[in-house]
Amino acid sequence: KAGVTQTPRYLIKTRGQQVTLSCSPISGHRSVSWYQQTPGQGLQFLFEYFSETQRNKGNFPGRFSGRQFSNSRSEMNVSTLELGDSALYLCASSSGTGRRETQYFGPGTRLLVL
Amino acid sequence: DAKTTQPPSMDCAEGRAANLPCNHSTISGNEYVYWYRQIHSQGPQYIIHGLKNNETNEMASLIITEDRKSSTLILPHATLRDTAVYYCIVRVEFQGNNNDMRFGAGTRLTVKP
Repeated sequence: KAGVTQTPRYLIKTRGQQVTLSCSPISGHRSVSWYQQTPGQGLQFLFEYFSETQRNKGNFPGRFSGRQFSNSRSEMNVSTLELGDSALYLCASSSGTGRRETQYFGPGTRLLVL
Repeated sequence: DAKTTQPPSMDCAEGRAANLPCNHSTISGNEYVYWYRQIHSQGPQYIIHGLKNNETNEMASLIITEDRKSSTLILPHATLRDTAVYYCIVRVEFQGNNNDMRFGAGTRLTVKP
């Protein structure tokens, strides 16, 4: 079974721009969660989508948004990029139904904001 | 979710067993102990999880004390590729609308030749 895939793997943007990251979950998984990882803050939860609906949300500003499609693929968008948004963005998929509920992470997208 | 305490770093000789401790003294009866690891700049990798019985899979063994207040992840024959940050997380298996994983600082394991 293929794992979680994320595209692109690396991205360079400038302040003020926006960016869209993509995540394809493990086949059959309906939950996709997004995390931000920085050296200073560690791994922080952004949001979770399940069946195309945001089910859970972390403590990030509204510039961070996401969506999920009917095939469970998910995108996250960051608008008006700031230098502090430079981070590794990780997505994780799980069944989302409570049965054998383990989150599996993708390789991440490394975003650098200049 | 119960908080966990892990040593910030540990060393282990290649080929020897690596024993990574985790304290979770406030764990609740329905909370599981999860272990993940993260090799530099990669996504966290699920290792194992358990409730109260010891667990073993192809990667590692998880030993949970009888009172469930602490646990140990055992890598039986550590290799250089096991060098990573290891995270111990305590949470219920499924939380519905609060289903995120809460990662702490973890233990940086360095396997030395």
